[in-house]
Amino acid sequence: GQQLNQSPQSMFIQEGEDVSMNCTSSSIFNTWLWYKQDPGEGPVLLIALYKAGELTSNGRLTAQFGITRKDSFLNISASIPSDVGIYFCAGQETNTGNQFYFGTGTSLTVIP
Amino acid sequence: DSGVTQTPKHLITATGQRVTLRCSPRSGDLSVYWYQQSLDQGLQFLIQYYNGEERAKGNILERFSAQQFPDLHSELNLSSLELGDSALYFCASSPRVGGYTGELFFGEGSRLTVL
Repeated sequence: GQQLNQSPQSMFIQEGEDVSMNCTSSSIFNTWLWYKQDPGEGPVLLIALYKAGELTSNGRLTAQFGITRKDSFLNISASIPSDVGIYFCAGQETNTGNQFYFGTGTSLTVIP
Repeated sequence: DSGVTQTPKHLITATGQRVTLRCSPRSGDLSVYWYQQSLDQGLQFLIQYYNGEERAKGNILERFSAQQFPDLHSELNLSSLELGDSALYFCASSPRVGGYTGELFFGEGSRLTVL
């Protein structure tokens, strides 16, 4: 199946720092989603993107739908301890029955 | 609360057994997706249903099967269980399919432990 490359795999940052992560795919997507997952819980949707070039914010989080439609970026500004968790990107293409493909995740650790 | 309900939350069983995981999608959502997440792994797509019909299949083993009922709830059946089937199984629902689709909302998962 489709593989999404998500980087970095893990990050250790100081509280207050900004964070950037990205996802790339080998094919074009029409939807990009970003999720946060806490241990043992289900992924929670953070931001949804539907249009190439779209830039969307949700509080301290900002995500962008890449112009090529093959990538997306998530930025977290002024990180706080509760930002700790695993962040997943997901992309959707319509020619495979609207299946969603997930990145391998970015593990974020925030040091107080 | 995403609105997607999964039961049971935890399940411990033995190798060779069969279990059924249940999912109730968000009200009005017609699409249901099942994912498997093994320890420290990403989400592996298993299967998708839309309004009772299978839409897409991922890396689902032949020992696994699923269905979506007329009331839109879905069940994932896992049989002849092996140790490697121990994982978190997530159900997710989406409000529409085709063309410009909506977001994917996850339940809290069913943790399966095979001993």
